[in-house]
Amino acid sequence: AQSVTQPDIHITVSEGASLELRCNYSYGATPYLFWYVQSPGQGLQLLLKYFSGDTLVQGIKGFEAEFKRSQSSFNLRKPSVHWSDAAEYFCAVGRPNSGNTPLVFGKGTRLSVIA
Amino acid sequence: DADVTQTPRNRITKTGKRIMLECSQTKGHDRMYWYRQDPGLGLRLIYYSFDVKDINKGEISDGYSVSRQAQAKFSLSLESAIPNQTALYFCATSDLAPPTGELFFGEGSRLTVL
Repeated sequence: AQSVTQPDIHITVSEGASLELRCNYSYGATPYLFWYVQSPGQGLQLLLKYFSGDTLVQGIKGFEAEFKRSQSSFNLRKPSVHWSDAAEYFCAVGRPNSGNTPLVFGKGTRLSVIA
Repeated sequence: DADVTQTPRNRITKTGKRIMLECSQTKGHDRMYWYRQDPGLGLRLIYYSFDVKDINKGEISDGYSVSRQAQAKFSLSLESAIPNQTALYFCATSDLAPPTGELFFGEGSRLTVL
């Protein structure tokens, strides 16, 4: 079965600083990979996804993520964080050709942004 | 209006009570899901349904049941609530089958069991 690890429970960055949130997965083949964001009091929203092809994917709100097969990672990045980016971020993994098995989510990383 | 609506948004109940959380959607999606969110544990899948006649158990279905009354409605029931079912519950929908389909979430139902 696939699993996903987000090593950082909580990260604090200054507004305007760069951001990298880590995600590692365990799966025998190339999985489908997702990042979702949960703003305070809201449901989750898809930021970006990777199925195949170019390993650097662009998402909404200025986020990008890079798939690195050798490191089993799919880290989320943003060059300059805004205060409105404070939220919880979830990495999720899906198995293609798995008989429609739903996604498995990581435990999340909470991002705080300070002035 | 929200595409995925959950009711109630907040509920406080006592141990042993029966609770129903309701989810309705206007997105026209066949696939619906119930997740539970606990601090430090992320999202865990409780039940999911790919159409009206299809119900599947997720990772943590014990103590829960569901009903898919129509394409647009998917309810989660706790037959006899217990304190460790205190959590934030999310309903989600998708148009495509997993893992391809993007999930669209409601705003959540916060349940407290005393």
